[in-house]
Order: sequence, then C-alpha cells, then structure tokens
Amino acid sequence: DARVTQTPRHKVTEMGQEVTMRCQPILGHNTVFWYRQTMMQGLELLAYFRNRAPLDDSGMPKDRFSAEMPDATLATLKIQPSEPRDSAVYFCASGRDRGYGYTFGSGTRLTVV
Amino acid sequence: AQSVTQLGSHVSVSEGALVLLRCNYSSSVPPYLFWYVQYPNQGLQLLLKYTTGATLVKGINGFEAEFKKSETSFHLTKPSAHMSDAAEYFCAVSSLGGNQGGKLIFGQGTELSVKP
Repeated sequence: DARVTQTPRHKVTEMGQEVTMRCQPILGHNTVFWYRQTMMQGLELLAYFRNRAPLDDSGMPKDRFSAEMPDATLATLKIQPSEPRDSAVYFCASGRDRGYGYTFGSGTRLTVV
Repeated sequence: AQSVTQLGSHVSVSEGALVLLRCNYSSSVPPYLFWYVQYPNQGLQLLLKYTTGATLVKGINGFEAEFKKSETSFHLTKPSAHMSDAAEYFCAVSSLGGNQGGKLIFGQGTELSVKP
C-alpha cells in the first residue's frame, strides 16, 4: 500500500532550537495538509497545499512556523524558534481530490524541553 | 464556515454490543463527510466517507454511517463491538465549493472503550 512518509518519527529538542519536519506525500497526490494534535486542542489544521501552492495557513503561528513544498515529493514544516508549547504530534496527510479522503502519515512526535 | 461536533468524548460498550458514535456537522455547502480511526501511537486511518449518492455508507471493519441532511448528522455504527475496535474515532467535514474546497475539518474525537 502507498504511504505518506514522515520524518523524523520522534524529535526531542531544546527550547529555541530550529525544528524541521518532513513529509513525502503519496505519488500522484496533489493536496497536502499539516495537522497538529494535542490532548487539549485535538487536531488543528496548520497548513494546506494544493498543487504545491499554499491555500490556507491561517491556523499556523506565522511568527515561528513556516510550511513549504519545494517540490511535489516533499513538504516541510519548520519551527524557529521552538517553544515547549509546540510539543505535540504533527501529522501530514495527502490526497488526490476533494472527495477522495486523505491518507495520513504516522506523525512526528515533537518534544521541546 | 464548516464545523463538526462529536457528542461524547468517551463511549464505553461491552463486547458484542452496538456501537453508536455521534457526529453533527455545520456546512453552508453540500458536505463531504468522513470517519477516521486512530489507534494508539498511530496516524489516522480512513474508515468510510460520504460524497454523493447513497446516504448509507459502508466502511472497513464492519462500520457504517448514514448521512441525514435534515438532521445534519453522520453517525457511525457497528452492530457488534469487538475488542479490537477500541480506539479514537474522528468525524470530519470537507466541501467541494470555493477555493478552499477540500479543507478537512475534524471534530474533537470520541474515544471508544470495549469491555470484555
């Protein structure tokens, strides 16, 4: 089965450090999401791309977060500088069209100490 | 704006009993509706989806859901719970229209426990 691949699976970093999370969407999928999951807030949409163009990043703290798709096979989510409140599981998901349903990666568990 | 409300953050059933997880949505345009399941330390897996056509949708693992437009609901059911169904379940809404059609908005999730 085709998979969405996220790296790293786990990341522990110190407050103030830069963190980069990567996602390889399924080949042929033109839509990519980044979500953050915490116990308190549940699943929050951070960013949303179609055909590599950002459509919505209103859920993302712009002063420290950035999301890009340098090419169709790679999406990145960067936090600089990281803070303890950024500790969460970050999921990437990809899909083909609006009614398709999206395939999620296994997530990156980020801990900022 | 679209939104999803899942009634009950925790549901507990006995093995073999009916599973009913409730989901209500708000959408100004015809919605696409989804149920996802998340097992511990894993990503979300698509259980089933409604886009158009038949309002009763069957998914994996014996789950089904019925789209009721008049009630703005998309409740998830399974006739007989199995221990392996214990997980967190998320309802989500998306839409066809607008330049943000396709944006997937999730409910807060319902944790399902299955007692032996």
